[in-house]
Amino acid sequence: DAKTTQPTSMDCAEGRAANLPCNHSTISGNEYVYWYRQIHSQGPQYIIHGLKNNETNEMASLIITEDRKSSTLILPHATLRDTAVYYCIVRTPFQGAQKLVFGQGTRLTINP
Amino acid sequence: DGGITQSPKYLFRKEGQNVTLSCEQNLNHDAMYWYRQDPGQGLRLIYYSQIVNDFQKGDIAEGYSVSREKKESFPLTVTSAQKNPTAFYLCASSTGTGGNEKLFFGSGTQLSVL
Repeated sequence: DAKTTQPTSMDCAEGRAANLPCNHSTISGNEYVYWYRQIHSQGPQYIIHGLKNNETNEMASLIITEDRKSSTLILPHATLRDTAVYYCIVRTPFQGAQKLVFGQGTRLTINP
Repeated sequence: DGGITQSPKYLFRKEGQNVTLSCEQNLNHDAMYWYRQDPGQGLRLIYYSQIVNDFQKGDIAEGYSVSREKKESFPLTVTSAQKNPTAFYLCASSTGTGGNEKLFFGSGTQLSVL
C-alpha cells in the first residue's frame, strides 16, 4: 500500500465544514483512497472511498486531485459527534482487507 | 441487529495468566480479523481468518493464538508469552479478502495487566 501523510490534529467549529487533507504522492493507478474514522474507545467506522472521481454519500464527500497525489475528506456541517480520529488509507482492489494499514490518522476536534 | 459483538468490554489479566477475548459476528462474513491498538497509535494486525478452520498470522502474532471453528466466532487468546498485553483489542470482519471489501469493527476490549 502507498504511504499516506495526514496532519496529526485539526480543529473545526461546530456547523462549519471540516476539510481533512491526505497526501498519497506514491499512489499507483489502481489504488483506491479509503477513509475510516474512530470515535474514542470504539472500533473504526467506514466513511467513504474513491478511485479518481469525487464521491459523496450521506456522511461525507471525497475530493481527489486530478493527479491523485492528494485528497480531501469533507464533512459539510460538522457536529460535536464528528470528533474522532480520521484515517486515510490507500489500497488496490485486489488486496484483501488484511492489507489495510491504519496509521496514526488525524485527530479532529469539533468545538462548540 | 447485524453486527460484531466483542466481550468483555474490560478485562484484567494477572501475570502468567492466559485470557481469551470473544468476538462474534452475525453478518455472515467469511473473513475475520484481530487488531491491537496502543494509546495514540494506529491499528496493528495480529491474526486474520479468511474461512472457517483457517487463519494466518498478521504483523504481531507472537504471544497470541486464535481459532476459527465456526464462521460466526473468532476468539483471541492472549497467552502468558505476550509480555506487554495492555492494549485496546479490536475485532473486525469483512465479506471476503479478495479486494475492495469494507471492514466492520466491534466496539473493542480494553485489556489491562494487574
